[in-house]
Amino acid sequence: QVQLVQSGAEVKNPGASVKVSCKASGYTFTSNYMHWVRQAPGQGLEWMGIINPSGSSTNYAQKFQGRLTMTRDTSTSTDYMELSSLRSEDTAVYYCARDVSRKYDVLTGWWFDPWGQGTLVTVSS
Amino acid sequence: SSELTQDPAVSVALGQTARITCQGDSLRRSYASWYQQKPGQAPVLVIYGKNNRPSGIPDRFSGSSSGNTASLTITGAQAEDEADYYCNCRDSSGNQNWVFGGGTKLTVL
Repeated sequence: QVQLVQSGAEVKNPGASVKVSCKASGYTFTSNYMHWVRQAPGQGLEWMGIINPSGSSTNYAQKFQGRLTMTRDTSTSTDYMELSSLRSEDTAVYYCARDVSRKYDVLTGWWFDPWGQGTLVTVSS
Repeated sequence: SSELTQDPAVSVALGQTARITCQGDSLRRSYASWYQQKPGQAPVLVIYGKNNRPSGIPDRFSGSSSGNTASLTITGAQAEDEADYYCNCRDSSGNQNWVFGGGTKLTVL
């Protein structure tokens, strides 16, 4: 079955960087884009960015520009999300989610399926 | 606009019909997808595209769309449907961005 397995929880000091991995299995890794989404404690879901199937192109949400780097290792079917200059507000659960899309009659639909189990990143001194 | 607006909370009596709505200009250009999230768990896709359900999602879940509004309907809500629900779609601004609604907490009474 299609599965995304993420790396374990991290505790970081303010100003440090964190790198979270997401290993895919059960499908052709280079057929799909991958999204990263985060969720602060008690808050909603926040889209962070997307990486293309080959790993050659990324697009990040404006608020993460300059701090976020997404990379992909196609040899191991693993995506990485690195966030730098961490501050307390970056404390959150970070999720990877596979992008799927389909063109219908007039509109196109995109959806995220499946999701990784999430990685808790705690930023604290 | 790149925002999606959801009511923060909706309540429904057991066995009755719950409707959760999502509004935003981006919904005129792409279909919404809907996610269910229970405490301490990752989100799960429940509706995608033109009212499609993934394997394993009960048929009491359905979706619809009109203009700038997408709706998730749960017909005959069960206790296990109590959760947070999020809508999502691609931003219509022309950038390769996506946006989530703020989420709706569904309470089954």
